[in-house]
Amino acid sequence: DADVTQTPRNRITKTGKRIMLECSQTKGHDRMYWYRQDPGLGLRLIYYSFDVKDINKGEISDGYSVSRQAQAKFSLSLESAIPNQTALYFCATSDLGFGPPNEQFFGPGTRLTVL
Amino acid sequence: ELKVEQNPLFLSMQEGKNYTIYCNYSTTSDRLYWYRQDPGKSLESLFVLLSNGAVKQEGRLMASLDTKARLSTLHITAAVHDLSATYFCAVEDYQLIWGAGTKLIIKP
Repeated sequence: DADVTQTPRNRITKTGKRIMLECSQTKGHDRMYWYRQDPGLGLRLIYYSFDVKDINKGEISDGYSVSRQAQAKFSLSLESAIPNQTALYFCATSDLGFGPPNEQFFGPGTRLTVL
Repeated sequence: ELKVEQNPLFLSMQEGKNYTIYCNYSTTSDRLYWYRQDPGKSLESLFVLLSNGAVKQEGRLMASLDTKARLSTLHITAAVHDLSATYFCAVEDYQLIWGAGTKLIIKP
């Protein structure tokens, strides 16, 4: 079984709809991340969480919100989707601590299309 | 602001050739990561470089880090078609800051 799972894998929605993307992990990691990938732009960080009570904005948090329901679950919401939020979304995890490297492990991605 | 620049952004090469992808960054981080992404797939960690002079090798890929020059290289030796993918470098500066990726196409 995959260590980091994302649901749904593909979603087509309309402008103005509320969308939730879910991420679950079995790696036992404390840190979780949501990224957005657009062609030619690499990965951009939306939100990250170092534990259940810690939520932080990333580079491009406007228009998004998150919820860390448990150590293993981190959800991303688009309150009112717009077409320029069409992208590939990845969840990632990494281990706790400032000593160990911040090697991140990625889920399979969710392809979101907003019409 | 930390910037990470990869070059080239696109590379088409023949099997059997050698080539190098470069990753330049703008701060004094000594931790750098290389990832591979196949089309439509997720990102897979390739190398973790944690100090100046670090060198890691896996098969036909070798990565190195020069923190004084703020430069990492990913060298491909005798390329094969299966190495076709997009390669990303990411520099650790509290968070990971990502390069735009190098799309590598290796023709048989």
